[in-house]
Parts: sequence; C-alpha cells; structure tokens
Amino acid sequence: DQQVKQNSPSLSVQEGRISILNCDYTNSMFDYFLWYKKYPAEGPTFLISISSIKDKNEDGRFTVFLNKSAKHLSLHIVPSQPGDSAVYFCAASERNSGGSNYKLTFGKGTLLTVNP
Amino acid sequence: NAGVMQNPRHLVRRRGQEARLRCSPMKGHSHVYWYRQLPEEGLKFMVYLQKENIIDESGMPKERFSAEFPKEGPSILRIQQVVRGDSAAYFCASSPFGRQIETQYFGPGTRLLVL
Repeated sequence: DQQVKQNSPSLSVQEGRISILNCDYTNSMFDYFLWYKKYPAEGPTFLISISSIKDKNEDGRFTVFLNKSAKHLSLHIVPSQPGDSAVYFCAASERNSGGSNYKLTFGKGTLLTVNP
Repeated sequence: NAGVMQNPRHLVRRRGQEARLRCSPMKGHSHVYWYRQLPEEGLKFMVYLQKENIIDESGMPKERFSAEFPKEGPSILRIQQVVRGDSAAYFCASSPFGRQIETQYFGPGTRLLVL
C-alpha cells in the first residue's frame, strides 16, 4: 500500500519556466513533508520541508504548497534551470508516540528534465 | 565538513554470501537511519540506530538482515545469505539529535548486486 504517491514519473520543462511537481498522500497522520533531489549515483539531497501547520514554505526558487484537505502537496521551481534536472522525491513522516518524526515514507520520484 | 560516507559504493555478491555495508555519519551526528531503494521504487525505511542502540527496526526483514552502530566506528548493515531480491541501493542517513523534526542527510549509497 503506497502511502505517498508521485503519479508523474517524468516532467520536461523549458529553462526559465516554472516546474510543478506533485505529490499525494493517503495517511492523514502525516504531519511533516519534505522534498529531496537526487542525481544519478548520488544520495538524496534535502531541498525544502513543510510542517502540517503551514500551507506554504518558500526558499529561494523553491516553494512547497500543502493542501491538507486534499492530502496533496506540490513543489514549484521558478525559474527552472538545467542544473535542476534530477529525480525529485516527496517524503512524509508522522510523529510517533515518542514525539519523533524520523521514519520517512518516500514516493517513487519524478524525473525532471529542464531543457536549455 | 565531510558528509555521510558509505562504503563500498558498489558491491557484488553471489547468492548465499554475506554483504556488509558501512556508514559513517556526518561529524557530530549520533543518529543513523538505513533505507533501501529497490529498482523503480522509492526509498523504504529499514532501521534507526543511535550509538550502541537499535531504536526502531520495524522496516528490517525478519531474517538475514541485521544492523549495528557500535560505540566506535561506522554503522554496519549486514545481510547474510544474500538472494537476488536483495539487489538494491542501500542508503544511510544521519541527523544530529534525533529530534521531533530534523533533516536527515543522506550518503551516496551502496549499490548491491547479487548474482
């Protein structure tokens, strides 16, 4: 049972335009969400996160939006650059009885290609 | 400041052999997490360790897999009697405090191929 879903395996955009990556989740207990970026043969690199008490978080060219009622989040990259070409993973966690959010549940990833 | 180190980066084993994967967390980090990524899948949580303690191994297969994080030295993920289905990328992550909400920093992974 996949609790975090990234339904688009790939996305192609032109340099300078907006990239929108989507993620849906089914577990209503998730309260912390992250986006990681991964290049081939490397480990995931943390990009941006959002707590369930917020609906938007921004960091430079990256903005994450959270719609709790729809159980949906999205990552916006503006403007997109060729160096952004990578696989993007959405991840979520829920607070356990000890108050920790360490167990990340990942989606399958979306391959973003930014064309010059 | 070196990041999370994993070795070997690539490991080839024949069925029935043992695989040992090592992870050195970032300097100052005492919390280690192991994840496995099967082909065409997302990363899946396996185990969470602190120094000399296994905190949560709910994602570990019941047999053949074990993990440790000794007082001195790297964390080790050990797979005994490997089978072809163990072929995957194994990622280690670390964090400093294991707090409620804390970013995990990932290593480059070990790609295990079982022949």
